Formats: sequence, structure tokens, C-alpha cells
Amino acid sequence: NAGVTQTPKFQVLKTGQSMTLQCAQDMNHEYMSWYRQDPGMGLRLIHYSVGAGITDQGEVPNGYNVSRSTTEDFPLRLLSAAPSQTSVYFCASSYILAGSVNEQFFGPGTRLTVL
Amino acid sequence: GQQVMQIPQYQHVQEGEDFTTYCNSSTTLSNIQWYKQRPGGHPVFLIQLVKSGEVKKQKRLTFQFGEAKKNSSLHITATQTTDVGTYFCAPSGSARQLTFGSGTQLTVLP
Repeated sequence: NAGVTQTPKFQVLKTGQSMTLQCAQDMNHEYMSWYRQDPGMGLRLIHYSVGAGITDQGEVPNGYNVSRSTTEDFPLRLLSAAPSQTSVYFCASSYILAGSVNEQFFGPGTRLTVL
Repeated sequence: GQQVMQIPQYQHVQEGEDFTTYCNSSTTLSNIQWYKQRPGGHPVFLIQLVKSGEVKKQKRLTFQFGEAKKNSSLHITATQTTDVGTYFCAPSGSARQLTFGSGTQLTVLP
């Protein structure tokens, strides 16, 4: 099993450009999530999904869109990149048991710089 | 998601000393998870606590969940250089959002 994979590993964008960060998991997990991590800020939840066709906003959703057309894939779209979106982005997946999110498996991250 | 305060933000210890990080919430938590992130790496799951007053051990690591389910701690006995990293608590309430504390960055001096 590959676990959680993310592409690309690194990306540099100019202000106003759009792009999609890819995330895929092969563990048949219902729950998938996107976090951003800024220095000294910990991880902040952007969007999450509890199954194909279902997505919801986290703490910091503005400027980002997600979709979940399959169980395996959960892409994150930056609509119009801004320097404030310079960060490391982590995707994670988990199974849900008794209504609770269990152990989350994280991808290696995408390091994004917006100039 | 649940909001928690994690302290301290930074901790420097000599190798062999003990280390503790605390996670405090103003509301009752459903459960709490702990993660470790090595420098330049991604968070890795350590444990999940569910029951009031629960104590779990993993070798030199001891995890506790408070009786009121509002706080939790991670204690490392006799730290080693391999313990270096940032430790995050991740509380879960009734919603399916798993938010993270701000983390405690541990430095172990040889």
C-alpha cells in the first residue's frame, strides 16, 4: 500500500495563479482532510470530507475549494493564489468508527510558495 | 472543532531528563489524539485516548486523559535525541472536525 500520496512536493506560484494540489489514498478511508501548516501556527484544518460526494469547511476554508468524486481522491484547488497562502499543505485520511475520526494517516506534504 | 491550549510552546531538555506537554480545553472532549512531527516531516499518529481518566503507555511515553475529559498530557521519561520533534494534541468533539493544538517543540541536547 502506498498510503497517502500528495503531488507535487514543491510548487512556486505567482499571485493570481490557480492550481490543484492532488491527494490520493489507497486504504479505503471514508474521512479525508486538508491542513495547512505555517511556522508557529500548528496545523489548521481547511476542508474535510466524510465520504464521496460530501465535503465541509474547516477552520480556514477561504480561497480553497475541494471535491470528493471518489473515495480515493481529494484534490484541493487554490482559486487565485495569494502570498498569504504560502505554507506547507498536508492531506490526511482516516476511517470513522462510532462517529469519531480515528488515527489519521498523513501524506508527505506539498510546500507551496506564492510570490 | 474543539479549541485547546497546548503548553509549553517550546521545551529544551538535556538528554536523560523527563519532558511533559499539556493540552487543556474549556469544554469536554469526546476523545483526544496525539501526534509527533519530526523536523521537515509529516505528523505521525501516536495514540488515541477515549475514556475519562485513561492512562496509556508506549515504552517511555505515558499519555493521560483527565477525569473531566478536558485535559490531557504526554510525558516522556528519560528523553533521547530520537524524541526531538513537535508534539501535537488533536482533540475531537461531537463534530467530525479534528483540529490540532499549536504543538510543543521539543529539543533534546546531547
